[in-house]
Amino acid sequence: DQQVKQNSPSLSVQEGRISILNCDYTNSMFDYFLWYKKYPAEGPTFLISISSIKDKNEDGRFTVFLNKSAKHLSLHIVPSQPGDSAVYFCAASARGGSNYKLTFGKGTLLTVNP
Amino acid sequence: GAVVSQHPSRVICKSGTSVKIECRSLDFQATTMFWYRQFPKQSLMLMATSNEGSKATYEQGVEKDKFLINHASLTLSTLTVTSAHPEDSSFYICATSGSLREQYFGPGTRLTVT
Repeated sequence: DQQVKQNSPSLSVQEGRISILNCDYTNSMFDYFLWYKKYPAEGPTFLISISSIKDKNEDGRFTVFLNKSAKHLSLHIVPSQPGDSAVYFCAASARGGSNYKLTFGKGTLLTVNP
Repeated sequence: GAVVSQHPSRVICKSGTSVKIECRSLDFQATTMFWYRQFPKQSLMLMATSNEGSKATYEQGVEKDKFLINHASLTLSTLTVTSAHPEDSSFYICATSGSLREQYFGPGTRLTVT
């Protein structure tokens, strides 16, 4: 049972436009959400996170929106750049215990065309 | 964020042999490290959580006698794949905890078992 779902395996966007990556979750215990960017044969790079007490967090070109009632979050990248082309993973963490384990979605391959 | 290195980046071994992968936290004392595995076009799956000075906590379905984890210091955790088989071929990635609930990943190790 997949607790974090990224239903779009791929997304193609024109340079300068907005990229919107979506993520849904099923576990109501999740209270912290993260986005990672990954290039082939490399480890994921942390991009941005959001706590469930917020509905928006912004960092430069990246904004994450959280809709708790819908159990949905999205990552907006604007303006998109060719260097943003990578696989983007959504991850979630539940409060409890001494270690905050992350549960990942399957990722969305973003291609930004020049 | 924390800087994490892994060694080797790529290893090919024969079936039945053991392989050790090192994960180092270069600028951060990591009491907790995480080991993930990623199969092609799949999500990152948490294998185990390693705590400095104590036994690792393995996720359901991960054989602790096959995937030996040692976290002897605050900067080094090792994963040993014992008696490797072709189905163990995968991309293994370690991560350390950040100051909040984010994790910082190493560059990964591509293991190929022939």
